[in-house]
Amino acid sequence: NFMLTQPHSVSESPGKTVTISCTRSSGSIATNYVQWYQQRPGNSPTTMIYEDSQRPSGVPDRFSGSIDSSSNSASLTISGLKTEDEADYYCQSYDSSFSWVFGGGTKLTVL
Amino acid sequence: EVQLLESGGGLVQPGGSLRVSCSASGFTFEKDAMTWVRQAPGKALEWVSTISASGRSTYYADSVKGRFTISRDNSYNTLYLQMNTLRADDTAIYYCAKGPRILYPDYWGQGTLVTVSS
Repeated sequence: NFMLTQPHSVSESPGKTVTISCTRSSGSIATNYVQWYQQRPGNSPTTMIYEDSQRPSGVPDRFSGSIDSSSNSASLTISGLKTEDEADYYCQSYDSSFSWVFGGGTKLTVL
Repeated sequence: EVQLLESGGGLVQPGGSLRVSCSASGFTFEKDAMTWVRQAPGKALEWVSTISASGRSTYYADSVKGRFTISRDNSYNTLYLQMNTLRADDTAIYYCAKGPRILYPDYWGQGTLVTVSS
C-alpha cells in the first residue's frame, strides 16, 4: 500500500493564493484519481475536488486541483482566500483493491 | 436535497458490539455505493468500509476486517455498520458517505459518535 503525505499546516492572508500538496509515497500519482475534502471545525467533510481536478456543483472556482507526475504529488490551490476557507483539508486516493487512502490532513489558517 | 442521517452511536464497553445506521434521502439510494469513514478525536479521516450499490461487493480496512460488517437495505434506503469486538481505538465519529463511485464520495453525513470505554 502507499501513503499520502500532506503538510501539517499552512497559513496565508485573505485575498492571497495558497497551495496544499499531497505526495504519494509509492506508485504513480497519476494511476488513481485524487480527491480533496474540506472539514471546517466541528463539521463533517465536504467534497471540494474529485478526479484530480473536477469541482462538484456549488464549489467556487477559487478551488482547483491538479497533479504533477514529476513530484508525484497532487495539489489543491485556493485563490482569493477568504476567512471562511479556514479549515482542515484532506486528500484521498485508493489502491488496486479499492481501499481508500487519506492524507493526514492540512490545517489552513487564514490570517 | 441529499440527506444522510447517521444514528446508533453511543458508549460501549471494550469487547462489546454496536450497530450504527445511516438513513438516506434525496437521491436514488440503490444506484450509489456507500461508505463509512471514521475520525478519532483530533485525528485524520480513516476509511472503514465500502459497499457497492447492489450490496454484492464489500471492502474493508485491515483495521476492522473480521470485526465489522457493512450492509444495506435498498428497500429502506438505509446503510448499516455492525461493529463487533470493539476496542478503545475504535472510538471515533463515524460518517456515512454516498457514491457516486466506489472509489470516492460526493456527499457526507453529519456523523455519529462511538465511544469504546469501560
